[in-house]
Amino acid sequence: AQSVTQLDSHVSVSEGTPVLLRCNYSSSYSPSLFWYVQHPNKGLQLLLKYTSAATLVKGINGFEAEFKKSETSFHLTKPSAHMSDAAEYFCVAYTGGFKTIFGAGTRLFVKA
Amino acid sequence: GAGVSQTPSNKVTEKGKYVELRCDPISGHTALYWYRQSLGQGPEFLIYFQGTGAADDSGLPNDRFFAVRPEGSVSTLKIQRTERGDSAVYLCASSPRAGGPGAHNEQFFGPGTRLTVL
Repeated sequence: AQSVTQLDSHVSVSEGTPVLLRCNYSSSYSPSLFWYVQHPNKGLQLLLKYTSAATLVKGINGFEAEFKKSETSFHLTKPSAHMSDAAEYFCVAYTGGFKTIFGAGTRLFVKA
Repeated sequence: GAGVSQTPSNKVTEKGKYVELRCDPISGHTALYWYRQSLGQGPEFLIYFQGTGAADDSGLPNDRFFAVRPEGSVSTLKIQRTERGDSAVYLCASSPRAGGPGAHNEQFFGPGTRLTVL
């Protein structure tokens, strides 16, 4: 069965330090992969998406993600965290059908 | 321009009652999705519409749940004989193009309807 696993339910970093949010997927197909962010009391917003054109994908607000097929991973990174990055992050996959599969989410805390 | 809107924003009902949740997608978007998000979890796919037809309803948990999109725009999620376990945030998303294998379409999400079943 297709699945998306976010390896950390919570990540805490200090402002100005790097961010790493980990995601692994399981799929029989070459997946379409996305990262979405959900700020409190706001709707889900697309950060970036993998479309097979390039394995390193750049998104909004300085985030990027690297697709590694051999590791079935699509980890999200940012060189320097900002207080406004504190939110819930979801790794998402389309795995060959119409069904969209979300990971359980990683809550990012940013300390001043 | 206007984004995806959902009404009501909050709905409190009693066990056994019927509820309808409405989604207004972005104008011109042909694809529409419904999700359910329980506390502390990621959104769970319920159903996908392409135009007026449900292309994939495999995520509907049981026959108490039903969704329609009669004119290919507004959609209504209907829940009969509500149970306490139905309490969650129901999210709607739309996309300008069809989903499916190989699709990379961004989905635009509404703010959700928080349903509480007492």
